[in-house]
Amino acid sequence: ETGVTQTPRHLVMGMTNKKSLKCEQHLGHNAMYWYKQSAKKPLELMFVYSLEERVENNSVPSRFSPECPNSSHLFLHLHTLQPEDSALYLCASSQEIAGWVSYNEQFFGPGTRLTVL
Amino acid sequence: AQTVTQSQPEMSVQEAETVTLSCTYDTSESDYYLFWYKQPPSRQMILVIRQEAYKQQNATENRFSVNFQKAAKSFSLKISDSQLGDAAMYFCAYRSLDPGGGADGLTFGKGTHLIIQP
Repeated sequence: ETGVTQTPRHLVMGMTNKKSLKCEQHLGHNAMYWYKQSAKKPLELMFVYSLEERVENNSVPSRFSPECPNSSHLFLHLHTLQPEDSALYLCASSQEIAGWVSYNEQFFGPGTRLTVL
Repeated sequence: AQTVTQSQPEMSVQEAETVTLSCTYDTSESDYYLFWYKQPPSRQMILVIRQEAYKQQNATENRFSVNFQKAAKSFSLKISDSQLGDAAMYFCAYRSLDPGGGADGLTFGKGTHLIIQP
């Protein structure tokens, strides 16, 4: 596997279900991100992890719970979602320099298309 | 907070011709990074080109170039000799430069859907 991978690619869940999205990066990066992409809206940053510590939580509802067990893996745990949470969820990674915002690009995964019924 | 505006939801261009995608942004910062990302129908977002705000020279990458107008807060993307493979959603993105911030996310525009006519 190369780059950033995400599983599953498609997920349909009911409002009472609990599911998890998985992201894995094979680039040796030290920062990972979750974005939400809804139709006709800009991509929204949800969570940022740098060196496995969460550095930003963009006021995301608590029904979304991230987990970053190591620098290569990122999860997004989902529970009691709403239909408006249906979207494409994108994971990204980058190599950051501690204490500085770097010029380095973020590499994106293919996304998980989530549908909440 | 910064905002990024892409005023063209959709653009169409004939193959081999040149097209320019518009992007404006709002910020009170003097130093930042700007990016154009491409998202083909397969959905994997890839970087097209990037620009550091302190650099006056416009970035170029082969057929892709930008027109960066800092005072006007404008960052347009020009694609020369358009090819069928250029068909995609194009997103303009802003990244804040905060010396103590470490990792940070991108602020995106809504995107422009580029259609290439054969």
